Amino acid sequence: DAEITQSPRHKITETGRQVTLACHQTWNHNNMFWYRQDLGHGLRLIHYSYGVQDTNKGEVSDGYSVSRSNTEDLPLTLESAASSQTSVYFCASSREFAGGADTQYFGPGTRLTVL
Amino acid sequence: QKEVEQNSGPLSVPEGAIASLNCTYSDRGSQSFFWYRQYSGKSPELIMSIYSNGDKEDGRFTAQLNKASQYVSLLIRDSQPSDSATYLCAGHTGNQFYFGTGTSLTVIP
Repeated sequence: DAEITQSPRHKITETGRQVTLACHQTWNHNNMFWYRQDLGHGLRLIHYSYGVQDTNKGEVSDGYSVSRSNTEDLPLTLESAASSQTSVYFCASSREFAGGADTQYFGPGTRLTVL
Repeated sequence: QKEVEQNSGPLSVPEGAIASLNCTYSDRGSQSFFWYRQYSGKSPELIMSIYSNGDKEDGRFTAQLNKASQYVSLLIRDSQPSDSATYLCAGHTGNQFYFGTGTSLTVIP
């Protein structure tokens, strides 16, 4: 069955370290998204990609970067982790749109703690 | 700024009752709307999508969309304890999805 996976599921790191969160989908979806979820803020879009070599900034992109070298993967990098980036991170994917929105499928999430 | 507003709750209903969840959205250009259910510690999972004005039914769930009023709702009939979760309303514009903060629902046995 097609799926979307994230790794690691839990991560503790220190302030200033570089951290990379992996996202891998086997849906063959063109569109991939990274969100963070915090109490009181809901899901907020960090970065998104509509295809290979395409990346775009979302609502809360400062301090984060992504790269898309193939269809299946969109790793999220925290260049220099800060305590404000402690959160739960969700990766999602969806098909290319054709006059209407398709469904987003979410990965299981990564809980990141920055000490 | 595209926004979706939801009452954070918590909303409590007795088992077997109808639960009514509501959200409003700011972007009149949004064409599609989604309801996701999220159990504590889990990822969001899609319950319903709705694109046209009116009602859309799927089992015990009915989504309602009123574009003139910029209003989306979700009705859950015959609520079950397993429906206890946070429900996220999402809108879609320009290949991006934007989410409300969610409404916490508790179904009391």
